Amino acid sequence: EVQLVQSGAEVKKPGESLRISCKGSGYIFTKHWISWVRQMPGKGLEWMGRIDPSDSYTKYSPSFQGHVTISVDKSINTTYMQWSSLKASDTAIYFCARCVAPRDFTRFDPWGQGTLVTVSS
Amino acid sequence: DIQMTQSPSSLSASIGDRVTITCRASQSIGGYLNWYQQKPGNAPKLLVYAASLLQTGVPSRFSGSGSGTDFTLIISSLQPEDLGTYYCQQTYTSSLFTFGPGTKVDIK
Repeated sequence: EVQLVQSGAEVKKPGESLRISCKGSGYIFTKHWISWVRQMPGKGLEWMGRIDPSDSYTKYSPSFQGHVTISVDKSINTTYMQWSSLKASDTAIYFCARCVAPRDFTRFDPWGQGTLVTVSS
Repeated sequence: DIQMTQSPSSLSASIGDRVTITCRASQSIGGYLNWYQQKPGNAPKLLVYAASLLQTGVPSRFSGSGSGTDFTLIISSLQPEDLGTYYCQQTYTSSLFTFGPGTKVDIK
């Protein structure tokens, strides 16, 4: 079964750093990009960026460029999203998703279960 | 950047009703359009890709159509388990995938 399993919920203070993870299984990890998607409380889905696990090439949405860093450790089939200095506005659920057919009719399937990040003083 | 809009933003329908959700792109995206369903408290789930192809395992009451800038998701006979929010997504530009704002479907 193809699966993406994300790390658990986090509670952080403004200014703190954070790294959350997404581990893939059940498929050849380097064959598919991984995207990250933000969902702020009660709001819709926002695509943040993607990474190609085969070569670590990343592409970010302009809205998130410079605010987050996506990385990968293909030896353990895991991608990461990290912040160096969190803000209260980073409070959200973060999903990872596998990009199927990355160069033709790309779609996201499956999705991870989501990681809730709460930033509060 | 390609902007996506959806209408309506919410709807309430009865069991067995035919439900239509529309999605519009700010420029032509060919058939590079996906639909996702997100049930409360869950991750999104792929329903339709390439505008009209049903993802494996998705009930046949769901269907997608359209090309260019205008797309439609139809639920032919609404069921209780279809409650949730539906999002369209364009993947025409691989450097910036964009979601629509969502359509919330309630059961009357």
